[in-house]
Amino acid sequence: DSGVTQTPKHLITATGQRVTLRCSPRSGDLSVYWYQQSLDQGLQFLIQYYNGEERAKGNILERFSAQQFPDLHSELNLSSLELGDSALYFCASSVGQGENEKLFFGSGTQLSVL
Amino acid sequence: GENVEQHPSTLSVQEGDSAVIKCTYSDSASNYFPWYKQELGKGPQLIIDIRSNVGEKKDQRIAVTLNKTAKHFSLHITETQPEDSAVYFCAANTGGFKTIFGAGTRLFVKA
Repeated sequence: DSGVTQTPKHLITATGQRVTLRCSPRSGDLSVYWYQQSLDQGLQFLIQYYNGEERAKGNILERFSAQQFPDLHSELNLSSLELGDSALYFCASSVGQGENEKLFFGSGTQLSVL
Repeated sequence: GENVEQHPSTLSVQEGDSAVIKCTYSDSASNYFPWYKQELGKGPQLIIDIRSNVGEKKDQRIAVTLNKTAKHFSLHITETQPEDSAVYFCAANTGGFKTIFGAGTRLFVKA
């Protein structure tokens, strides 16, 4: 168990809908990262937060947004969902800001858009 | 930005044999290279990492090598066991806030 908690584990929704994925980092970790893993694809970096502030952005669509709350948990919001958004979404955390740091991953949220 | 290429995409070995996975990176500023193992239904888990001031690092049956000049780094697993079967990801970090992953290698260890 990595100590990173993601909910829900599975999410099934329809095109055009909006969903929220939740992540609780390991105790003491200040950074949260979001990654997308499509079928047979690698891990695509979406966005990173450190202590409530956005630190880095990857290939995150404008329809997607995220935030990190004062208690350090994070939420990834996906709106106007399309079939291609179906993927496994991972959250990871690290102690510091992310420079050369080990990432601890949650078990992921499997999103299916029908 | 950084780009990490990983080969092979699939690797099948007999139990007890060695497995080697190779990665190349594009950004010469990258200085931290972790390797992650992802088992079915789970998130990736760090198994070993290497920093740019080190050429080789070993941890029991696994080892990583780094060639900064060629921008290559590799994962070596010796005496493979069925429980080594998983997807392995290499990654690179430039000291910034992004860890960029390779596409992954699916390793099958046949008993």
